[in-house]
Amino acid sequence: GQQVMQIPQYQHVQEGEDFTTYCNSSTTLSNIQWYKQRPGGHPVFLIQLVKSGEVKKQKRLTFQFGEAKKNSSLHITATQTTDVGTYFCALPSGGSYIPTFGRGTSLIVHP
Amino acid sequence: KAGVTQTPRYLIKTRGQQVTLSCSPISGHRSVSWYQQTPGQGLQFLFEYFSETQRNKGNFPGRFSGRQFSNSRSEMNVSTLELGDSALYLCASSPKHGAYEQYFGPGTRLTVT
Repeated sequence: GQQVMQIPQYQHVQEGEDFTTYCNSSTTLSNIQWYKQRPGGHPVFLIQLVKSGEVKKQKRLTFQFGEAKKNSSLHITATQTTDVGTYFCALPSGGSYIPTFGRGTSLIVHP
Repeated sequence: KAGVTQTPRYLIKTRGQQVTLSCSPISGHRSVSWYQQTPGQGLQFLFEYFSETQRNKGNFPGRFSGRQFSNSRSEMNVSTLELGDSALYLCASSPKHGAYEQYFGPGTRLTVT
């Protein structure tokens, strides 16, 4: 079945530092999505990546899809306390579009 | 547009009881999916409904069931509750069947004692 590994599990940063989370799949992906869940909240859709080598930016967030379409990363520049939360990647499992979610990376930002 | 709404937000049940959770998708969204989120297992897919039909099902026992109504609202039922069913149950809607992006509701926090 679909194997997805997301690292690191936790990341503590000082406000203003950069942050990166990685998502790795055991199989080639058709696409990947990223979600953010604030503490006590629900996952919120951030972006979907489809093309090999794709790079998309949302303000201080940069999303990349690997050339082989087996991995992806989310990079946050100059973190702020509002960035606190857990970031999940989600990939379609098997031949369906049903998403398999990674275990998430919890970002803790220290002011 | 109003977001996905779920009721109730919190629920406490006793082992062996059954529970029904409700979800109203974003207006115009016809696909509704249900997820279970626990600290131990993370976010796991339960099932997806589209046009009142279950289109996909995750790896959960038959005690977990659902349905969708003609107005796209959906309900999820769990029978014979077990302690391990304690979790946050999230409903998510999508504009169409096969759409990868999911828009989640606030969830129902179920505690089984």
